[in-house]
Amino acid sequence: DIQMTQSPSSLSASVGDRVTITCRASQSIASFLNWYQGKPGKAPKLLIYAASSLQSGVPSRFSGSGSGTDFTLTISGLQPEDFATYYCQQSFRSPPTFGGGTKVEIK
Amino acid sequence: EVQVAESGGGLVQPGGSLRLSCAVSGFTFDMYWMSWVRQAPGKGLEWVANIKEDGSEKNYVDSVKGRFIISRDNAKNSLYLQMNSLRVDDTAVYYCARLVGARPYWGQGTLVTVSS
Repeated sequence: DIQMTQSPSSLSASVGDRVTITCRASQSIASFLNWYQGKPGKAPKLLIYAASSLQSGVPSRFSGSGSGTDFTLTISGLQPEDFATYYCQQSFRSPPTFGGGTKVEIK
Repeated sequence: EVQVAESGGGLVQPGGSLRLSCAVSGFTFDMYWMSWVRQAPGKGLEWVANIKEDGSEKNYVDSVKGRFIISRDNAKNSLYLQMNSLRVDDTAVYYCARLVGARPYWGQGTLVTVSS
């Protein structure tokens, strides 16, 4: 199975900060990488698919980049509603696998 | 518009069984692998099982092998998860998801609670 490693596992940031979350795959997955936002009691919300495509309705402060094994989710100008846990997921090879999550907390 | 809707969750005692269903519309169901994903309280996302387009191949996470069975009915655009010998650590919200293709689609989830 392809292992997905996210870093950091948690971070503290302030409203307005630029936040970067990294996801590394154990082998090349081309651009088959999705990013989700998770909040308690809610289904995961798709933010970015195919590494860099912004899901409809998601604010443009969210962006994704990368290909191969290294990927980045960037939040440019953190907003109060962005405090959540973020997950990456590869769809290159079965089984699909998730990163362990990055919890973004208020500083 | 794509719609994915799970049902069948509930409270069950350890050792019991439950069958989850997922109704899909808005894309050609029989062209995609489908998955079940779960999230236990306070934990991350865990892929549970997936099934090939025609049902001929099925995969499971080790912790549910021999206890859970994934199936699909392409005529009804539906996905199922038969869960047997349920354990307390199977307690989670279970999501039906298409995790392949141009972009993923998820349902809103159904809560399974295993407790005496």
